[in-house]
Amino acid sequence: DIQMTQSPSSLSASVGDRVTITCRASQGIRNELGWYQQKPGKAPKRLIYAASSLQSGVPSRFSGSGYGKEFTLTISSLQPEDCATYYCLQHHGYPLTFGQGTRLEIK
Amino acid sequence: QVQLVQSGAEVKKPGASVKVSCKASGYTLSAYYMHWVRQAPGQGLEWMGWINPHSGDTYYALSFEGRVTMTRDTSINTAYLDLNRLRNDDTAVYYCARGDSGDYLRPVDWGQGTLVTVSS
Repeated sequence: DIQMTQSPSSLSASVGDRVTITCRASQGIRNELGWYQQKPGKAPKRLIYAASSLQSGVPSRFSGSGYGKEFTLTISSLQPEDCATYYCLQHHGYPLTFGQGTRLEIK
Repeated sequence: QVQLVQSGAEVKKPGASVKVSCKASGYTLSAYYMHWVRQAPGQGLEWMGWINPHSGDTYYALSFEGRVTMTRDTSINTAYLDLNRLRNDDTAVYYCARGDSGDYLRPVDWGQGTLVTVSS
């Protein structure tokens, strides 16, 4: 199985801060990675697909980058509504695997 | 717009089976793959497999092989997840998620989730 290691597991940041979350794959996965946001009691919502493509309707402060083994999700200017848990998901190999999640809180 | 509406919460005893439904609206079920993902309380997301609603072909994660069956009824635009020989650690929220048009392996639209509680 391809292991996806996310870091940090949690972080606290202030409104307006730039926030970066990293996902590392145990083997190369090209750009076959997406990022999802999940708020408590809700289903995940896709933010980014193909590592760097912004999902329609998602604010442009969210961006993704990376190829191969290392990927990042960046929020350029943190907003209060961004308080959530973020997951990466690789779909390069079976089984599809998620990172363990990054819990983001607002200071 | 695309909407996936799942069946209601279930409480089951260990050893029993559960069937969760996922009714699609806003598109034709057979046009896109459907994934199933689960989330144990306070835990992360775990992918279970997919079904191609057009052909009925399925792919299951090895950890569920032999206990899971994914089916569909295209006449009512509904996909189903069957999980049998339930254990306490199958307690989780189960989600269906539609694969996107560009790559069927990329889940994009999600149902609201169905809580399955396994307890004696």
